[in-house]
Amino acid sequence: DQQVKQNSPSLSVQEGRISILNCDYTNSMFDYFLWYKKYPAEGPTFLISISSIKDKNEDGRFTVFLNKSAKHLSLHIVPSQPGDSAVYFCAADYSNFNKFYFGSGTKLNVKP
Amino acid sequence: DAGVIQSPRHEVTEMGQEVTLRCKPISGHNSLFWYRQTMMRGLELLIYFNNNVPIDDSGMPEDRFSAKMPNASFSTLKIQPSEPRDSAVYFCASSGQGYTQYFGPGTRLTVL
Repeated sequence: DQQVKQNSPSLSVQEGRISILNCDYTNSMFDYFLWYKKYPAEGPTFLISISSIKDKNEDGRFTVFLNKSAKHLSLHIVPSQPGDSAVYFCAADYSNFNKFYFGSGTKLNVKP
Repeated sequence: DAGVIQSPRHEVTEMGQEVTLRCKPISGHNSLFWYRQTMMRGLELLIYFNNNVPIDDSGMPEDRFSAKMPNASFSTLKIQPSEPRDSAVYFCASSGQGYTQYFGPGTRLTVL
């Protein structure tokens, strides 16, 4: 049973608008969360992370929000650009075991 | 600076054949991970090593799968005998002191 879930396999957004990608998890022991971006024929690349002691982390156009009570995190991209079109994976870890549990990914398409 | 190197990038083989995937982690990284990506299960961790020692192989699907890390700069994932359901993209990743895992470009395996 998947402990990290991304229920939206795809998302289409107009350039300049906000993209919101969602992720839910079931294991309350998770204390570190990451987002990875993946282009076709490439490996995933790290995008942004957040510790469970925070509820928000921002890096340029990318912001990750964590709602521990709802076991939910989201990635906001503002403004969205065509180059952001990729598959986005969320991942979770606990106690620095270095064992990431990945979601199944959401394919983002940003239309010019 | 070279990233994680994987070879081959593509592998097509027939059912029953032995398949060996190779990985060279980033120099200085002490953790190495093997992942498999499929449409059904997304990105799943197969095994990871710390300082060349296997730490968790609970994700290895069957005895047909084996992984080795004879030194800090090389690892192999072997499937013997291969089956069509093993067709997937296999990623190797490495990490150093921090949480971030750096992924290679992947090996696309097709078993006919």
